[in-house]
Amino acid sequence: EADIYQTPRYLVIGTGKKITLECSQTMGHDKMYWYQQDPGMELHLIHYSYGVNSTEKGDLSSESTVSRIRTEHFPLTLESARPSHTSQYLCASSVTGGVYEQYFGPGTRLTVT
Amino acid sequence: KNQVEQSPQSLIILEGKNCTLQCNYTVSPFSNLRWYKQDTGRGPVSLTIMTFSENTKSNGRYTATLDADTKQSSLHITASQLSDSASYICVVSDRGSTLGRLYFGRGTQLTVWP
Repeated sequence: EADIYQTPRYLVIGTGKKITLECSQTMGHDKMYWYQQDPGMELHLIHYSYGVNSTEKGDLSSESTVSRIRTEHFPLTLESARPSHTSQYLCASSVTGGVYEQYFGPGTRLTVT
Repeated sequence: KNQVEQSPQSLIILEGKNCTLQCNYTVSPFSNLRWYKQDTGRGPVSLTIMTFSENTKSNGRYTATLDADTKQSSLHITASQLSDSASYICVVSDRGSTLGRLYFGRGTQLTVWP
């Protein structure tokens, strides 16, 4: 079982609200990732980080932002939620180098009404 | 364009039966191929990782094969159990970037009936 945690697991929120999805890992991994997944569809990378103070945008354009102040913590923030943001958000982490294993958190199911 | 295609999209089998899931990819340059199991409402969990030189790898009742020449992989599940009901995702990594980008298939939704 991977030591990577996400909170909340489920969130229903109204349009225009600011939200932060939490992700933390206790494995000391340098790399962390945020993916977005709609039902029956593939995962899309929206943000990643090589380490502290490093953040990059992924393949899928997203209005969310991330920060990496501590190695173990990689929160994702939406300043103004919209119904189009309704999706499952998965956080993952990995070591650097080699054929690395990505460990996924349980996900946050976000619904914006 | 780097892509990962999986078939079938969904599959229903009876408990105790075997099944095989397929994955075709166009990712280049190829680094490794992974199979993940994703239970409903959960994050994916790795089953196997295979590099270019590996043809087959097993993890309990799961056996993955890789043909890097034809860019095809399969995941064979033996003596299925109810707990095998999940989405099985094929993921291919490239070695053309520092990140080692992962390309995800849409998954095969497997349902095992008693």
